[in-house]
Amino acid sequence: SAVISQKPSRDICQRGTSLTIQCQVDSQVTMMFWYRQQPGQSLTLIATANQGSEATYESGFVIDKFPISRPNLTFSTLTVSNMSPEDSSIYLCSVEWDSRYNEQFFGPGTRLTVL
Amino acid sequence: EDQVTQSPEALRLQEGESSSLNCSYTVSGLRGLFWYRQDPGKGPEFLFTLYSAGEEKEKERLKATLTKKESFLHITAPKPEDSATYLCAVQNTGNQFYFGTGTSLTVIP
Repeated sequence: SAVISQKPSRDICQRGTSLTIQCQVDSQVTMMFWYRQQPGQSLTLIATANQGSEATYESGFVIDKFPISRPNLTFSTLTVSNMSPEDSSIYLCSVEWDSRYNEQFFGPGTRLTVL
Repeated sequence: EDQVTQSPEALRLQEGESSSLNCSYTVSGLRGLFWYRQDPGKGPEFLFTLYSAGEEKEKERLKATLTKKESFLHITAPKPEDSATYLCAVQNTGNQFYFGTGTSLTVIP
């Protein structure tokens, strides 16, 4: 399995500012995913980030609000732009470790609070 | 529309009291069903993948089973350290993932 780290682990931000979340994997992986988990709710996929191509966003999420970078096979960033209190959530990155088995492994998450 | 429903939302068990968690799903074409454990303040931890009806997998006190409409996570003689939220997810043949809202399990010593 993969070891995944995220930075920061938590942050408190002011309305209107932006925060970039980093996701680092200890091995090269093709597919990385960004999720949002709001209190008491299911995980919601924001986008899929493959190295060398533009991220693919799910319905309800746009690149201007959640720009993603994927510069190499071990790293990705998600930026939450022009934040509002509604963006307060846990943001998780995950990787598909082995495409034969479709299993996703998750990072520890970033807990974001927007005031 | 593909979706996953987990029940119950919360479950309290005495230590040693076996039970099952349910994950009902509707999916256009199942590529895999996944069980995760999530502790407070942490990311989901992968437990099992099931691919076809009739398949079963075990890990310590946990056993996952799969039918064409649902999956069960059986917990045998649970211990307090099994307390966590258990998440179920399905992947369809379009490679889309759908997560349930989870079952919060509390095991009382």
